[in-house]
Amino acid sequence: GQQVQQSPASLVLQEGENAELQCNFSSTATRLQWFYQHPGGRLVSLFYNPSGTKHTGRLTSTTVTNERRSSLHISSSQTTDSGTYFCAIASSSFSKLVFGQGTSLSVVP
Amino acid sequence: DAGVTQTPRHEVAEKGQTIILKCEPVSGHNDLFWYRQTKIQGLELLSYFRSKSLMEDGGAFKDRFKAEMLNSSFSTLKIQPTEPKDSAVYLCASSFGGAETLYFGSGTRLTVL
Repeated sequence: GQQVQQSPASLVLQEGENAELQCNFSSTATRLQWFYQHPGGRLVSLFYNPSGTKHTGRLTSTTVTNERRSSLHISSSQTTDSGTYFCAIASSSFSKLVFGQGTSLSVVP
Repeated sequence: DAGVTQTPRHEVAEKGQTIILKCEPVSGHNDLFWYRQTKIQGLELLSYFRSKSLMEDGGAFKDRFKAEMLNSSFSTLKIQPTEPKDSAVYLCASSFGGAETLYFGSGTRLTVL
């Protein structure tokens, strides 16, 4: 079945630094979504991005479908960006979303 | 527009009890998922419904876990009997079709003593 690998597992940044989170998957993804979760909080969708590049605010998601990888770029990080970022993939429109283990981000002042 | 609503937010059960968790998806969504989240295992699928039909269940969760979708706006997850290893956060999510953004509820934190 579909496997999703995220890297790094954890990351500590100084406020203002940029971050690049990676997601690699084992088979074709027709559905790819990035989520953010604050400790103890709800999973919030950041991007639905099965291919190409999308921007919102300081976040950019780039998915290269034929290379089976996606990245999430956070620019000028803030302490409020701290939390866990998940990548999730579905192989078809009729299959479940499989989640990676997440990247735990901590942004310190 | 209401999001995904899950109740209760917290549940404490004794080992061997039956518990029922509830979920109301976003109005108009036809895909509904139940996931379990733990620190060790991450997010694991329990059940997936499309238009009230069960599309996939979580394999290893079949024996004591049963999700139902009684109508398009309500789903339940029954755990019977509960075991301490079931302690986790149970998440419900919905989307409109297979190529749309998935929206999550706040989850139910279950503690089994």
